[in-house]
Amino acid sequence: GAVVSQHPSWVICKSGTSVKIECRSLDFQATTMFWYRQFPKQSLMLMATSNEGSKATYEQGVEKDKFLINHASLTLSTLTVTSAHPEDSSFYICSAREASGSFHEQYFGPGTRLTVT
Amino acid sequence: GEDVEQSLFLSVREGDSSVINCTYTDSSSTYLYWYKQEPGAGLQLLTYIFSNMDMKQDQRLTVLLNKKDKHLSLRIADTQTGDSAIYFCAESDAGNNRKLIWGLGTSLAVNP
Repeated sequence: GAVVSQHPSWVICKSGTSVKIECRSLDFQATTMFWYRQFPKQSLMLMATSNEGSKATYEQGVEKDKFLINHASLTLSTLTVTSAHPEDSSFYICSAREASGSFHEQYFGPGTRLTVT
Repeated sequence: GEDVEQSLFLSVREGDSSVINCTYTDSSSTYLYWYKQEPGAGLQLLTYIFSNMDMKQDQRLTVLLNKKDKHLSLRIADTQTGDSAIYFCAESDAGNNRKLIWGLGTSLAVNP
């Protein structure tokens, strides 16, 4: 089946620094990628939707200048958390939709645990 | 606003059937999904049902949809220890990107 990887799987950074998370579709081309955030004991919250080659669409309440999303190729999207603060600590998950596949199918990465100290 | 609710925990004995329930609020939902999340792995789509269907069966999985009550259930027959995981219910809206609205997830524990 289609595989999505995320790197790193966990990261600890200091307050005020920026951290980049990569999401790759390993064996398929993803025209659309989604970025989610999950707090402990809470459901996944969609942050933004990115289509390859165009600007990401952010959900209401998500700061686009803080969470920079780049979807420069059909196999790679990146999320950069800029000037991170402890409240940005969370589990970040990406998913990808295959260009030629059913729109029902979103393939999920294993997630990245971000801890800001 | 849109909301999806699930019970948080379910414990069953190996070999029994498991039933995980979900309620949603958006009457315009077009598709409803069940995902499985195992530790260290990405969410995996188990099955989905179109909103004009009442039931869908796929091997050990049976999905029932009561559109009037906005209630969705997932039944796992002959539950195995490998079924232990978190199960998420999700609904999609009718927008172009069909974004998913998620429940909190039900943690299923299967006891030998």
